[in-house]
Amino acid sequence: AQTVTQSQPEMSVQEAETVTLSCTYDTSENNYYLFWYKQPPSRQMILVIRQEAYKQQNATENRFSVNFQKAAKSFSLKISDSQLGDTAMYFCAFTSVKSKSTFGDGTTLTVKP
Amino acid sequence: GAVVSQHPSRVICKSGTSVKIECRSLDFQATTMFWYRQFPKQSLMLMATSNEGSKATYEQGVEKDKFLINHASLTLSTLTVTSAHPEDSSFYICSASPNPPSYGYTFGSGTRLTVV
Repeated sequence: AQTVTQSQPEMSVQEAETVTLSCTYDTSENNYYLFWYKQPPSRQMILVIRQEAYKQQNATENRFSVNFQKAAKSFSLKISDSQLGDTAMYFCAFTSVKSKSTFGDGTTLTVKP
Repeated sequence: GAVVSQHPSRVICKSGTSVKIECRSLDFQATTMFWYRQFPKQSLMLMATSNEGSKATYEQGVEKDKFLINHASLTLSTLTVTSAHPEDSSFYICSASPNPPSYGYTFGSGTRLTVV
């Protein structure tokens, strides 16, 4: 079974600064996908960024980028130029063809003005 | 693209009654949909996998007779909470994907169920 660990229950960052959220996972599979989802106070889950395990290049989406270290089973999310609208709970998730999605416990991020 | 609509967004019901929650994929077909339960400030807990045209697959510990799932078409799955009790009060979320698993999953906006 897959496990996803987010070791930072809560984090805060000043507006315009950069913050990195950590995620580690454990799997015996070689072909899988990793995601970061955002859940703002509205509770609508939103896909932030995805990474295919077979791709070495780190995914980027505007201000969001990941640091994917396959050997270390690490998948951190970096948010640059943080905005007030980035305040949310962030979930790291693992999915593969063989298994359903597994979510971490989440990190609550607060962006301070 | 990849929009999932979930209704109702909020529902209050009396103890002992049943409540139906709908999850629709608006612009894609979904042979599989997922139903989650989420407590405040906690992660998503998978309840069941809804399979079009066949029985749902329930996670261990989830009562099949209490949480009835029907996936009658490629765009609609329903979750019925039967004989609801206050302990069933929670936030329920559905998800689906037009191209699982690589595309990632799109989530409905969730349903806040309160049983009084």
